[in-house]
Amino acid sequence: AQSVTQLDSQVPVFEEAPVELRCNYSSSVSVYLFWYVQYPNQGLQLLLKYLSGSTLVKGINGFEAEFNKSQTSFHFRKPSVHISDTAEYFCAVSGGGSQGNLIFGKGTKLSVKP
Amino acid sequence: KAGVTQTPRYLIKTRGQQVTLSCSPISGHRSVSWYQQTPGQGLQFLFEYFSETQRNKGNFPGRFSGRQFSNSRSEMNVSTLELGDSALYLCASSLVGAQNGYTFGSGTRLTVV
Repeated sequence: AQSVTQLDSQVPVFEEAPVELRCNYSSSVSVYLFWYVQYPNQGLQLLLKYLSGSTLVKGINGFEAEFNKSQTSFHFRKPSVHISDTAEYFCAVSGGGSQGNLIFGKGTKLSVKP
Repeated sequence: KAGVTQTPRYLIKTRGQQVTLSCSPISGHRSVSWYQQTPGQGLQFLFEYFSETQRNKGNFPGRFSGRQFSNSRSEMNVSTLELGDSALYLCASSLVGAQNGYTFGSGTRLTVV
């Protein structure tokens, strides 16, 4: 069975500081990996996805994530955060192929302080 | 283009009643998935439909059911509501599946009293 562990439930950080949100997964098959963000009272927005190829995935607004197969990790990073980045971030894994059953981590609440 | 639309946004039901939630996917998307989000359990997969067929099912009791219509719109139904069914129910759509990434709707907040 697949599982996702987000190592930090809350991450406080000052504005313009770098941030890393950690995600580890377990799976016996090749996987697709995703990072989503959720703002209060809203659904989830897809930020990044890893399907195959380059292990460094870059998104908009300076977000990036790095897939490490040997460490079964997909850590999320941003070099400089803004107040508007305050939200909850979810890491998710699917079992490859088209199957749409994403397994989510418990989420990391990023709080950016001025 | 329009995103994933879920109706209603908020719903209050009494224990024992049943409820139907609706989801209109992005035009052209054939895969629709449903998730339950609660503070205690987080995001849990309910089921996925593709071309009107249930392709995957999560570990939920039979009170939870769904269907997909020929236009890809989907509904989920919960019968004999329990207090623990109070949650945010999220629908997500994708062209064909996970490899395209899923776009989520804003959810339906169900409160069971």
